[in-house]
Amino acid sequence: ILNVEQSPQSLHVQEGDSTNFTCSFPSSNFYALHWYRWETAKSPEALFVMTLNGDEKKKGRISATLNTKEGYSYLYIKGSQPEDSATYLCASYSSYKLIFGSGTRLLVRP
Amino acid sequence: NAGVTQTPKFQVLKTGQSMTLQCAQDMNHEYMSWYRQDPGMGLRLIHYSVGAGITDQGEVPNGYNVSRSTTEDFPLRLLSAAPSQTSVYFCASSYSSGFRNEQFFGPGTRLTVL
Repeated sequence: ILNVEQSPQSLHVQEGDSTNFTCSFPSSNFYALHWYRWETAKSPEALFVMTLNGDEKKKGRISATLNTKEGYSYLYIKGSQPEDSATYLCASYSSYKLIFGSGTRLLVRP
Repeated sequence: NAGVTQTPKFQVLKTGQSMTLQCAQDMNHEYMSWYRQDPGMGLRLIHYSVGAGITDQGEVPNGYNVSRSTTEDFPLRLLSAAPSQTSVYFCASSYSSGFRNEQFFGPGTRLTVL
């Protein structure tokens, strides 16, 4: 079973701050890295699916990069807003399974 | 489309009782899966199915059974509930088992075992 790790575990930032967090995963037999956004009392929703080394994806103020050779992905949020408060999960795909990290909980203070 | 639906939303069981958590999707997705979410542990895969009639174990399968007799439904059975199975359970589906396919999650079932 893969070991997918995320850091930090939680993060408090002020509205307007930019922030980033890390997902690390085994680089051997890599297929895909998924990012999900999970708001309190809701279900996780997909942000990005990344497959190629050097991939960069963007959705509004949120972007992600992927380094498959060293086994990490960064998620960036530019100009954080209170509505960005959520848990951000990454997951690595292996043998028909998505293995999730424990998430980074982001709280954006107005 | 209703997407992925789960019933019940909440359930309280006594140790030793059995029950089935229901999951259905109306998107004609081949791949379905069950996760449990515990504090500080993210989502852990219990069982998954790559298509009707095919199921396999995930990371934490002990104490749970699944079946997939139709494309739409993927019930999760707790055979003899234990307090360690107190958790929030999420069902998810995706178009296929391919690595590019994002998963769509149901609203979750909060289970308490006393």
